[in-house]
Amino acid sequence: KAGVTQTPRYLIKTRGQQVTLSCSPISGHRSVSWYQQTPGQGLQFLFEYFSETQRNKGNFPGRFSGRQFSNSRSEMNVSTLELGDSALYLCASSLVGGRPEETQYFGPGTRLLVL
Amino acid sequence: AQKITQTQPGMFVQEKEAVTLDCTYDTSDPSYGLFWYKQPSSGEMIFLIYQGSYDQQNATEGRYSLNFQKARKSANLVISASQLGDSAMYFCAMRDLNTDKLIFGTGTRLQVFP
Repeated sequence: KAGVTQTPRYLIKTRGQQVTLSCSPISGHRSVSWYQQTPGQGLQFLFEYFSETQRNKGNFPGRFSGRQFSNSRSEMNVSTLELGDSALYLCASSLVGGRPEETQYFGPGTRLLVL
Repeated sequence: AQKITQTQPGMFVQEKEAVTLDCTYDTSDPSYGLFWYKQPSSGEMIFLIYQGSYDQQNATEGRYSLNFQKARKSANLVISASQLGDSAMYFCAMRDLNTDKLIFGTGTRLQVFP
C-alpha cells in the first residue's frame, strides 16, 4: 500500500506570495492532519480534516487554511507569506481519527523557504 | 493539559549497542496512546511503535521496544543492536483526544558511531 505523498517537496517563495501544498493520504484513510515544524517551535498542529470538513484547528492565523476533497486528498494554503512561515510542513493520515490508539502516518513533508 | 517531556537533547551510542531514549508524559485521560516516531535528516516522520494505556505488556517491534511504566508516567524507547542508519531525531508523542492532534516532545537526536 502506498504511503502518504506530499507535493511539492521543496518550495521557495518570497514574502507576500501565497502557496498551496498538497497531500494524498494512504488509501482508505479519511482523516488528514497538517503540522508545521520549525527549529524554534518544534512540531505544531495546524488543522485536521475528515470527510471534507475541518474537524479540528490549531492556533494559527487565518492566513493558514486548508480543504479536503471527496477522495480524502487535502490541500493547505498559506496566503501573504511571512519569513516566519519558513518551515517543514508535514501531512499525516489516519483511518478516521479521534481514537487514542489510532496511528497517524506521515508523508515526506514539504520544505518551504520564504525569502 | 497533556504534555510530553523528552529530557535528552542528544544521545551517542556505539554500533551494535542498545540505547534507551527517555519520555515522560502527563495526562488526566484514563485512556491514551503513546507513539514513537523517527525523523531522519530527510524530514519524513516514520512511525516506530505504539503503546496503549491499557496494554498489559510492553510493546515490541523488531529492534524497538517500549519500557512502559504507567505509575511513573514514562514510556522509554529501547533500541537494541543499534545500526548506523538509526542516527536520527526521535520523537515521543501522545494523541490529544479533544483536538485529535498529536502532542510531541522536543525530540532526542541519536547519533550512532562505528
